[in-house]
Amino acid sequence: KQEVTQIPAALSVPEGENLVLNCSFTDSAIYNLQWFRQDPGKGLTSLLLIQSSQREQTSGRLNASLDKSSGRSTLYIAASQPGDSATYLCAVRPGYSGGGADGLTFGKGTHLIIQP
Amino acid sequence: DTAVSQTPKYLVTQMGNDKSIKCEQNLGHDTMYWYKQDSKKFLKIMFSYNNKELIINETVPNRFSPKSPDKAHLNLHINSLELGDSAVYFCASSRRSGTQYFGPGTRLLVL
Repeated sequence: KQEVTQIPAALSVPEGENLVLNCSFTDSAIYNLQWFRQDPGKGLTSLLLIQSSQREQTSGRLNASLDKSSGRSTLYIAASQPGDSATYLCAVRPGYSGGGADGLTFGKGTHLIIQP
Repeated sequence: DTAVSQTPKYLVTQMGNDKSIKCEQNLGHDTMYWYKQDSKKFLKIMFSYNNKELIINETVPNRFSPKSPDKAHLNLHINSLELGDSAVYFCASSRRSGTQYFGPGTRLLVL
């Protein structure tokens, strides 16, 4: 059974710092990995998706890496801003062959606060 | 230009009632999902569905049933509601195994 762990559970840093959020998963047979942010009382916003064959993806100040063999992913946020304050969720999609649909397995998230 | 929408946004009801939550996506995706976010904010897959296959998480009680009138809709029906069903329910969609896009959530409170 796939399990996803995110460390740290909470993080508070001053504005402008670069930071790294960690995600690990127990079963390396994944199809892809997705990072989301969730603002309080809101839905999930997709940030980055990394296919199992990829090593990293970048979008603006965000960079996500994937080491499938070791079951790890990191989300790097450069030059953090107060607007980055949210809960960041890591989720993996199971590997499969031949088709079919299946859902994501989520970590419990990292609650990030950027102090102005 | 809403991508994935859900109605209602809030739902307060009594134990034992039957309720439905509607979900619609206008992204042209072929796969839709329902997730449950519990009081500890942990998200868990309930169902995934494309036009050929329904995959059910084995932990979901059979009081929950998804119904898809067409490719753009996947509604969630819940029978005989229980206190433990109180949670936020999210609908999502994707193109096969691509990026999943989530709706805003439906906050269900069972009294």
